[in-house]
Amino acid sequence: QVQLVQSGAEVKKPGASVKVSCKASGYTFTSYYMHWVRQAPGQGLEWMGIINPSGGSTSYAQKFQGRVTMTRDTSTSTVYMELSSLRSEDTAVYYCARELTGTLPEGYWGQGTLVTVSS
Amino acid sequence: EIVMTQSPATLSVSPGERATLSCRASQSVSSNLAWYQQKPGQAPRLLIYGASTRATGIPARFSGSGSGTEFTLTISSLQSEDFAVYYCQQYNNWPPERTFGQGTKVEIK
Repeated sequence: QVQLVQSGAEVKKPGASVKVSCKASGYTFTSYYMHWVRQAPGQGLEWMGIINPSGGSTSYAQKFQGRVTMTRDTSTSTVYMELSSLRSEDTAVYYCARELTGTLPEGYWGQGTLVTVSS
Repeated sequence: EIVMTQSPATLSVSPGERATLSCRASQSVSSNLAWYQQKPGQAPRLLIYGASTRATGIPARFSGSGSGTEFTLTISSLQSEDFAVYYCQQYNNWPPERTFGQGTKVEIK
């Protein structure tokens, strides 16, 4: 069965960077795009971007352009999301989410990773 | 950017009653519309995609309708496990952007 297992909670200081991992299993890693979505405490869902695990191409939401980098390691079936220049407003749960199938929305989600930005 | 607007923000419903949630897009998204359910402390769960197709394992009491800019999620007879927050999402194929609505909380009346 499809499983997405994310790395553990992080606490970072303003201005620092954080790198969250998402290890996939139960399917062919390079066959499905992966998205990153975040959710601030008590708030709604916010799409951050997408990565094609096959070739590594990415597309980011305009809001995060220049601050986010999504990468993948096909040898370990893991995708990464790195967010730099952290500020308090970046405190959120970060989710990786796999498309259901090509052209369809995200049907499989990781458990989420809480990133807290605090001085 | 396509803006998704959900209404109402909160819906108070008694168990067994029908719930109707609305979602409006700022421009046409064709049928590229999904609905998600989220419970506290959990990741979102895909309910509906293609505006009206139920995802695998989703009970028949959940139904979606609409196209273009106006969409509806209907829960025909609310069960205790259905009290949650519901989000609509538009999904473009290319560029592969997504936008979520702000959510509708379905609470027990």
